[in-house]
Amino acid sequence: SQTIHQWPATLVQPVGSPLSLECTVEGTSNPNLYWYRQAAGRGLQLLFYSVGIGQISSEVPQNLSASRPQDRQFILSSKKLLLSDSGFYLCGRYAANYGYTFGSGTRLTVV
Amino acid sequence: DAKTTQPPSMDCAEGRAANLPCNHSTISGNEYVYWYRQIHSQGPQYIIHGLKNNETNEMASLIITEDRKSSTLILPHATLRDTAVYYCIVRVPWTNAGKSTFGDGTTLTVKP
Repeated sequence: SQTIHQWPATLVQPVGSPLSLECTVEGTSNPNLYWYRQAAGRGLQLLFYSVGIGQISSEVPQNLSASRPQDRQFILSSKKLLLSDSGFYLCGRYAANYGYTFGSGTRLTVV
Repeated sequence: DAKTTQPPSMDCAEGRAANLPCNHSTISGNEYVYWYRQIHSQGPQYIIHGLKNNETNEMASLIITEDRKSSTLILPHATLRDTAVYYCIVRVPWTNAGKSTFGDGTTLTVKP
């Protein structure tokens, strides 16, 4: 079975500080990986997706970036956080036979 | 991916069937219908998917209309633990990039 690990579970960061959220995947190779963000009471907004090492596609312009340094590692970063970056960040993978599997998420509050 | 439309909220009595509708009038012939649910502060969880035939698993049943423009997720005997946000998405499953849009979904509240 595939397992997605995300950490930390919660994070409070001041405006202007850097961010690094890490996601690792077990039980599969060459997964398609995704970063989604969810505002309170809303649906999921796709931020980035990656189909392989070093391959990143950005869906919305923002001050966030993503990297995939290893096959099963996906990192979401920012050099300077904004208040609007607050939200629930989800890392997921997609497989054709059962769709998406998500990690447990990181709740980020920028203060 | 085709756009989906879901009611923002629904209530259901515990022990009764919960029927959650989804409209996807622009669905294309090779797009499947997927349902996920998200319990508060967790990631969405896969429930069921189908192309055109009705599907059933241990969690739910999926009824897709003959013209495939709408579907209904059925939780046969809803429990309090089924209170969650339910998302309906449509997509071609074998597309490599695998991008999908999760709208606001339907918030199902199961009441005792």
